[in-house]
Amino acid sequence: AQSVTQLGSHVSVSEGALVLLRCNYSSSVPPYLFWYVQYPNQGLQLLLKYTTGATLVKGINGFEAEFKKSETSFHLTKPSAHMSDAAEYFCAVRGGSNYKLTFGKGTLLTVNP
Amino acid sequence: NAGVTQTPKFRVLKTGQSMTLLCAQDMNHEYMYWYRQDPGMGLRLIHYSVGEGTTAKGEVPDGYNVSRLKKQNFLLGLESAAPSQTSVYFCASSSGTASNQPQHFGDGTRLSIL
Repeated sequence: AQSVTQLGSHVSVSEGALVLLRCNYSSSVPPYLFWYVQYPNQGLQLLLKYTTGATLVKGINGFEAEFKKSETSFHLTKPSAHMSDAAEYFCAVRGGSNYKLTFGKGTLLTVNP
Repeated sequence: NAGVTQTPKFRVLKTGQSMTLLCAQDMNHEYMYWYRQDPGMGLRLIHYSVGEGTTAKGEVPDGYNVSRLKKQNFLLGLESAAPSQTSVYFCASSSGTASNQPQHFGDGTRLSIL
């Protein structure tokens, strides 16, 4: 079984500030981890994924995430927020050979001018 | 460069009516999925398919049926719509058997049941 917890349903930052969106997972097998972004009235778009190898993963639009096995975390960061980053972000986990994704409940990011 | 296409994009139904949502993908993916998205609930898996002619239940299958007669299409049916089925429905697809392959999503169908 696997699960995802996203801490904070709503995060608000100022333009130019650090973005930190938190994700903790549980999985009985080595996980594959994903971050998706959803802009208003659109589907989900893949930001980045962790499979194996390097624990710091770089994605699109300047986002990156670090896989920390000891903390069962996969937090998403971006050094400097841009107005266009305002969206909802979803963390998801897939365990081993299970092809089904389990999603967190999402974090809505607001960027203030 | 279509990816995953969902039709229709919007629909309003009356309680008890039936309808079918269509999902089509042009990436030759084996796996296809139907999710519903409700505020504060994230995405919940309704049904999925691991290949043409096969379907399986997800975590919230009640009130829905699916069919995968062709590899590129995955249909979601509501036989007797209920207000609790008001939601945004997303279709997704993914390739191969490797768990590191991401799912590709359509733009969603916004369904209201009155």
